[in-house]
Amino acid sequence: QIQLMQSGAEKKQPGASVKVSCKTSGYTFTSYGLAWVRQAPGRGLEWMAWISAFNGKTDYAQTVQGRVTVSTDTSTSTGYMELRSLRSDDTALYFCARSSHYYDHREGFDHWGQGTLVTVSS
Amino acid sequence: QFVLTQTPSVSGAPGQRVTISCTGTFSNLGAGQGVHWYQQVPGAAPKLLIYGNSHRPSGVPDRFSGSKSGTSASLTITGLQADDEADYYCQSYDTSLTGSVFGGGTKLTVL
Repeated sequence: QIQLMQSGAEKKQPGASVKVSCKTSGYTFTSYGLAWVRQAPGRGLEWMAWISAFNGKTDYAQTVQGRVTVSTDTSTSTGYMELRSLRSDDTALYFCARSSHYYDHREGFDHWGQGTLVTVSS
Repeated sequence: QFVLTQTPSVSGAPGQRVTISCTGTFSNLGAGQGVHWYQQVPGAAPKLLIYGNSHRPSGVPDRFSGSKSGTSASLTITGLQADDEADYYCQSYDTSLTGSVFGGGTKLTVL
């Protein structure tokens, strides 16, 4: 079955960076894309970024562009999201999710990871 | 704050029908972009309920249905059950922002 397994919870100080991984299984990795979505405590979902696992094409939300980088390792079917210059309002549950196509993310996200809690606090 | 606008909360009794709305703009739903719906139980990851306005992934009961017209979309749940109590989010693609966007979410309470 299709699975997206994310790395464990992280606690970081303001100004630091965090890198979250998303190891996938059960499907052909390069036939789809991976999106990253976050959810601050008690808040709604916020799309952050997307990467095509086929050709590495990326899209980033304007709210985090310049601070976030997404990447993939096709040899291990794993996606990564790195967020830099962390602030307290980056504290959130971060999800990876598979997009329905490799060429864009206009058709929704059909499988999700379990989420990784990132806490930013001094 | 959210590009797609949802009513914050809706409620219904078991067995009833409820409709959750999602209002967009000319640059997303009005631009012909599809709308997708997710169910999120507290503490869990979202689950795709409807994609491409009205299509159900395999395993999603036909009690859940979606529709879209112009800049508005709706999710309808019939035969409401206790375990339908969750947060529901709409999502689309915005051509001006060149990225995916979510609604603020609607909390469904089953009375």
